Amino acid sequence: GAVVSQHPSWVICKSGTSVKIECRSLDFQATTMFWYRQFPKQSLMLMATSNEGSKATYEQGVEKDKFLINHASLTLSTLTVTSAHPEDSSFYICSAGDDGGYGKQYFGPGTRLLVL
Amino acid sequence: RKEVEQDPGPFNVPEGATVAFNCTYSNSASQSFFWYRQDCRKEPKLLMSVYSSGNEDGRFTAQLNRASQYISLLIRDSKLSDSATYLCVVLAYSGAGSYQLTFGKGTKLSVIP
Repeated sequence: GAVVSQHPSWVICKSGTSVKIECRSLDFQATTMFWYRQFPKQSLMLMATSNEGSKATYEQGVEKDKFLINHASLTLSTLTVTSAHPEDSSFYICSAGDDGGYGKQYFGPGTRLLVL
Repeated sequence: RKEVEQDPGPFNVPEGATVAFNCTYSNSASQSFFWYRQDCRKEPKLLMSVYSSGNEDGRFTAQLNRASQYISLLIRDSKLSDSATYLCVVLAYSGAGSYQLTFGKGTKLSVIP
């Protein structure tokens, strides 16, 4: 099956630091990628839809200036958490769908962010 | 009204039981439907796509009823390893190669020895 990677797997940083997370589709092209956040024992929450070559679409309540998304190529999307605070500590996951795969999503392994 | 609704759960069932999950969606323009499973502290993994004709994969059967906007997942002869959270996912194309994904909140299944 299709493989999606995320880097880094773990991040521990100080409050006020900006953190960049990469999401790559390794063996397929993805016009659209998605970013999610999941707090412990809670449901997966879609944060934004990342479209190659255009601006991301953010879900209601997600600050676009706080969570910067760049989808520079058909295999790479990045999420930057700017000026991270402890409440941003979470499990961040991306997904990508093979453009010919009728929307099936393949998820990255996730990035655990801990802001001290 | 939530766009994708699932049984609240949790479901605690004995090994060997048959368990059914239900999901309803509100966007009648939705075009693709999926069930994912998510293990604790892991990313979701695709379990199966759901087709109007119904599809089966071993002990798992998925059904779609477009008229009722309803999706189901049936697990037969449940195993301990089936314990996970099951997510209903609905997709609607929004043109120009992009699409909108909507997730249900998931139903947690615990299979008990």
